[in-house]
Amino acid sequence: EPEVTQTPSHQVTQMGQEVILRCVPISNHLYFYWYRQILGQKVEFLVSFYNNEISEKSEIFDDQFSVERPDGSNFTLKIRSTKLEDSAMYFCASTAPQGRSPLHFGNGTRLTVT
Amino acid sequence: SQELEQSPQSLIVQEGKNLTINCTSSKTLYGLYWYKQKYGEGLIFLMMLQKGGEEKSHEKITAKLDEKKQQSSLHITASQPSHAGIYLCGAVGSGTYKYIFGTGTRLKVLA
Repeated sequence: EPEVTQTPSHQVTQMGQEVILRCVPISNHLYFYWYRQILGQKVEFLVSFYNNEISEKSEIFDDQFSVERPDGSNFTLKIRSTKLEDSAMYFCASTAPQGRSPLHFGNGTRLTVT
Repeated sequence: SQELEQSPQSLIVQEGKNLTINCTSSKTLYGLYWYKQKYGEGLIFLMMLQKGGEEKSHEKITAKLDEKKQQSSLHITASQPSHAGIYLCGAVGSGTYKYIFGTGTRLKVLA
């Protein structure tokens, strides 16, 4: 069964550094998402992406964040200057174009900012 | 904006017992999704409900959406240790493709 893959599984970075989290969504999906889950807290929406542009974003997704689909398969989340409070699990998800199909999630990248 | 509340927040049951998890929305649901998450892992899709009064089952898990489409329940029959994890309900509202999630219910099943 096709799946969403995320790399790396764990990233440790120093405060102020840039990080890029990578995702390969399911190949025939058209809607792509990033979510964040701080340890023990709820899964929070960051951004949705469709037709090569951001369709919706949350208040969390400020100027420090950006997303890109550089080619036909990868979907990336960049954090320009990481803060301690960016430490969390970041999940990529994708969904098919038919109606409101369920999201399919990757296994996440655990980002630790020191 | 739409909010999803889940209850209970956590649940500890003896193996073999039945249990129910509830999810209540502040607005009408146009799609309700149940997921299971194991610690440190991604969300695994379980079931989707879209119509008022709809009920779906998979193995020992049954999910229902009420007629008004504002409340859903997830029922596990004869629970097993493999059912342990965090159960989350998710929803998408009208005029948007933004999926939101409830606070989660942490289930522990004692062997």
